Amino acid sequence: AQTVTQSQPEMSVQEAETVTLSCTYDTSENNYYLFWYKQPPSRQMILVIRQEAYKQQNATENRFSVNFQKAAKSFSLKISDSQLGDTAMYFCAFMPNNAGNMLTFGGGTRLMVKP
Amino acid sequence: AAGVIQSPRHLIKEKRETATLKCYPIPRHDTVYWYQQGPGQDPQFLISFYEKMQSDKGSIPDRFSAQQFSDYHSELNMSSLELGDSALYFCASSARGPGYEKLFFGSGTQLSVL
Repeated sequence: AQTVTQSQPEMSVQEAETVTLSCTYDTSENNYYLFWYKQPPSRQMILVIRQEAYKQQNATENRFSVNFQKAAKSFSLKISDSQLGDTAMYFCAFMPNNAGNMLTFGGGTRLMVKP
Repeated sequence: AAGVIQSPRHLIKEKRETATLKCYPIPRHDTVYWYQQGPGQDPQFLISFYEKMQSDKGSIPDRFSAQQFSDYHSELNMSSLELGDSALYFCASSARGPGYEKLFFGSGTQLSVL
């Protein structure tokens, strides 16, 4: 079984600054995917970024980037130039690369972007 | 672009009643997933379907059942509702092939059991 841990229940950042959200996971799988999902107050679950474990290059999507450390089983999310619309709950999630496609989520980090 | 559609958005039921939640996946998506998110909790996987057949089963109570129909929409049936079933129920869909691992979520159905 896999576990995903987000050690920061809440974080805040000033608008336009950079913030990093932490995530660690535990698995015996060698091939898998990692995701960051954003859940704003509307409660819609929105995919922010995804990383394939066999790729060493860190994924980047505009202002969002990850620091993937496979040996350390660490997958942090960096948000640059934070915007008020980034205020949301952020979930780190793990998916083994098999036919199941089941996501295991971490407990979430509530991010508040302050003006 | 079309997204995953869930209905209803909100549902209020009494204890021991039944509820049916519906999910319409993105067109040409053949796999549907159901997740349950309790208050202040992370989403938990319930069940998934691929091509109208059950694919995987998670922590779904025996009181719940689900199916995927010929048009690929899915329904989650919940009987003998309990207070603890109050949660946000998400449906997600994806398509076999490149990018299969990218799940697209609907807006959820908020179920309140009184």
